Amino acid sequence: QLVESGGGSVQPGGSLRLSCAASGFIFSNYWMGWVRQAPGKGLEWVANIKLGVNDGYYVDSVKGRFTISRDNGKNSLYLQMSGLRAEDTAIYYCARAYSGTFDIWGQGTMVTVSS
Amino acid sequence: DILMTQSPLSLPVTPGEPASISCSSSQSLLRSDGHNNLNWYLQKPGQSPQLLIFLLSNRASGVPARFSGSGSGSNFTLKISRVEAEDVGVYYCMQALQSPITFGQGTRLEIK
Repeated sequence: QLVESGGGSVQPGGSLRLSCAASGFIFSNYWMGWVRQAPGKGLEWVANIKLGVNDGYYVDSVKGRFTISRDNGKNSLYLQMSGLRAEDTAIYYCARAYSGTFDIWGQGTMVTVSS
Repeated sequence: DILMTQSPLSLPVTPGEPASISCSSSQSLLRSDGHNNLNWYLQKPGQSPQLLIFLLSNRASGVPARFSGSGSGSNFTLKISRVEAEDVGVYYCMQALQSPITFGQGTRLEIK
């Protein structure tokens, strides 16, 4: 199970940190990722992170602004977002990566960037 | 980036009838191990996406046998043998062969 938290409303240029608590599987054995969905739109991959190293991969539109990280001791995944823009407004889903897919998804947390 | 293109974007279906969704990629999704890195998801209204099919044709746990995936290279198909009311929602294909991971635009299945 994956449970996201930390969403909310923020002004353009602001920062927000999303968290994802994992349970029911050995968290440290899996890559993890974030996928977002703007209101009424499709799915967009945001970032992935490897197993034990805070080595992330990002979609170009968030590079330099977002940082994905994990704490295997706390079974938690994070997404630090800064320099937020209106186009970052979306539901952010945490997902487990396995065998070339995302096989488990959280319920999502909403991020709204607006003045 | 690998572009994923789905068709149709809207699919009205009568219950009990078959349905088919196509997905094409701008380049081959064939991995070095011989698997096609193509996945299908269903997002039911108000819910998170759920995995239906992974690596072209493997049904995820709990997915009914009426769902099947096929194709090769850069052309793929999701088929529902007999649509049920619970199948409504938006279907997405996704490639994870190459970063950035990309999704199709989505196909909205509705019941006639």
